[in-house]
Amino acid sequence: DAGITQSPRHKVTETGTPVTLRCHQTENHRYMYWYRQDPGHGLRLIHYSYGVKDTDKGEVSDGYSVSRSKTEDFLLTLESATSSQTSVYFCAISEGVEQETQYFGPGTRLLVL
Amino acid sequence: AQTVTQSQPEMSVQEAETVTLSCTYDTSESDYYLFWYKQPPSRQMILVIRQEAYKQQNATENRFSVNFQKAAKSFSLKISDSQLGDAAMYFCAYRTPQGGSEKLVFGKGTKLTVNP
Repeated sequence: DAGITQSPRHKVTETGTPVTLRCHQTENHRYMYWYRQDPGHGLRLIHYSYGVKDTDKGEVSDGYSVSRSKTEDFLLTLESATSSQTSVYFCAISEGVEQETQYFGPGTRLLVL
Repeated sequence: AQTVTQSQPEMSVQEAETVTLSCTYDTSESDYYLFWYKQPPSRQMILVIRQEAYKQQNATENRFSVNFQKAAKSFSLKISDSQLGDAAMYFCAYRTPQGGSEKLVFGKGTKLTVNP
């Protein structure tokens, strides 16, 4: 247990509405990540953070933004949700000498109608 | 770009038997990390085992072990004495060691069924 929580765990929303997902960690990890998981795919990286206010894009970042104003919280925002963003979203932190090992939160299931 | 391929969408095994899940990857790097994650029906992603590419010795964690063939770019997972609780999706993942921000590249997963 890497001390990662995600909220909400489930959300249903309508197309065009903004949505914010929260990832909270209790162990002061520097690196945090947001992934999405879709049927037939493994996880794909959306955005990541390497410190407070330090973020960068992953491979599927279009339509998403992130913020990290505190070490413990990493927020993922869908500015205007679309049905293609229906997915399961996972937050992760990394540990290890080279920050190579990632541990995941429980996930958030998002349905965009 | 690095890619990870899991060629077995589904596998099944009898309880108490041994099963091997396959994973191949493509990279031009010489130093990297490989992982197997388990995702049970709860959807939690659970780290099963990790392997550093510079280590010759295959990693082992209790009933889980890997067969790491660096030249062949192969990283298979062996589950011994399979248990009903091993039923899950298994994902192979690759990561370079460069910096702390590199992503994990995942395969598409293998669904493992354990028959009583």
